[in-house]
Amino acid sequence: NAGVTQTPKFRVLKTGQSMTLLCAQDMNHEYMYWYRQDPGMGLRLIHYSVGEGTTAKGEVPDGYNVSRLKKQNFLLGLESAAPSQTSVYFCASSVPTGLGTEAFFGQGTRLTVV
Amino acid sequence: GNSVTQMEGPVTLSEEAFLTINCTYTATGYPSLFWYVQYPGEGLQLLLKATKADDKGSNKGFEATYRKETTSFHLEKGSVQVSDSAVYFCAREERGSARQLTFGSGTQLTVLP
Repeated sequence: NAGVTQTPKFRVLKTGQSMTLLCAQDMNHEYMYWYRQDPGMGLRLIHYSVGEGTTAKGEVPDGYNVSRLKKQNFLLGLESAAPSQTSVYFCASSVPTGLGTEAFFGQGTRLTVV
Repeated sequence: GNSVTQMEGPVTLSEEAFLTINCTYTATGYPSLFWYVQYPGEGLQLLLKATKADDKGSNKGFEATYRKETTSFHLEKGSVQVSDSAVYFCAREERGSARQLTFGSGTQLTVLP
């Protein structure tokens, strides 16, 4: 079982370059999320989606865009990378089943912007 | 706003020592509470959860009790092992439509043999 798969695992970008991070889940989950993890700050929500064709802003959406054209994929785009976007990015998915929904996380993408 | 405050690390313990990692949350509504664990080089995975006051979540020897009166969800383990070395995150689930999680800052635990 693959679960949640993120591509790529590592990337170095120059300031101003663009890139897309891919998240794929094979659990038929409705909800998908993109978080960034920075030292001493835990994980912060960038964007999320509650279903195919829908997206919404999280806590720190500036500088990022997302798309959910297929239920199993959630793409995170950086149009013009900045050093402040150096971080580890995690995708997660879940399906709400009452209270206390478990989120399943990918292994992360380590992005460095120089 | 909604927030989760977690004990700062790093925490270093000897094997078989008692572990407590403190976590408090803002009392907006009645959120579900979680502890997630992140082993080196991996994503987060659910360790335990509690969905209402006085619930106790438990897994792999870890426990945490949902304390409404103190707005706390402290993680405990009676005897840690080297394999418990990881980063531990306390989190609350927002009751809105998206069920997104708000995380604490994480606590790095190192257990020495």
